[in-house]
Amino acid sequence: DAKTTQPTSMDCAEGRAANLPCNHSTISGNEYVYWYRQIHSQGPQYIIHGLKNNETNEMASLIITEDRKSSTLILPHATLRDTAVYYCIVSHRGAGNMLTFGGGTRLMVKP
Amino acid sequence: DGGITQSPKYLFRKEGQNVTLSCEQNLNHDAMYWYRQDPGQGLRLIYYSQIVNDFQKGDIAEGYSVSREKKESFPLTVTSAQKNPTAFYLCASSTGTTNEQFFGPGTRLTVL
Repeated sequence: DAKTTQPTSMDCAEGRAANLPCNHSTISGNEYVYWYRQIHSQGPQYIIHGLKNNETNEMASLIITEDRKSSTLILPHATLRDTAVYYCIVSHRGAGNMLTFGGGTRLMVKP
Repeated sequence: DGGITQSPKYLFRKEGQNVTLSCEQNLNHDAMYWYRQDPGQGLRLIYYSQIVNDFQKGDIAEGYSVSREKKESFPLTVTSAQKNPTAFYLCASSTGTTNEQFFGPGTRLTVL
């Protein structure tokens, strides 16, 4: 059962902000939203996670709607190296709570 | 320089042979995981271990076996019972209290 829905693919111009949406309408009150990305033929890389509030780190910003049914990952100034598959995952926090990686969004950053 | 190492990067085996994939971490993480990824697909969980000498099956454990004798190591054996073993195998680890996972570079297994 899919807990998140993401577009299959997106394009973004180099230097512009990349906004990747994710729907998680069945999220429960204590489930977190996680974002990972996977550059071709490499292991996934953790980006950011959040519960209710918007979060920002050196890689990206995470905007979660007030009803928590959707979120957006923002890469403020996309570069060619940001071309990757981005996974939005909903999970309870804590060891033993598994991360389920769906199909993700294939982001292509173009010059 | 802490991290997760997987070896080898590419592995070729004949059909019917068992093969063991290595995963080592020096992050002092309690939990370790094995995933399988097929072309164009997401990751699927094979096995995971939250502490030494303990492990649980994931969604697709059939045809695979693991051991966790040391905190640093979580080898995966792909047995001859696995019907379609050719895939990209990823190992990950996390602390004992959170599930933010750190991944290794992966091993691409091809069974001829």
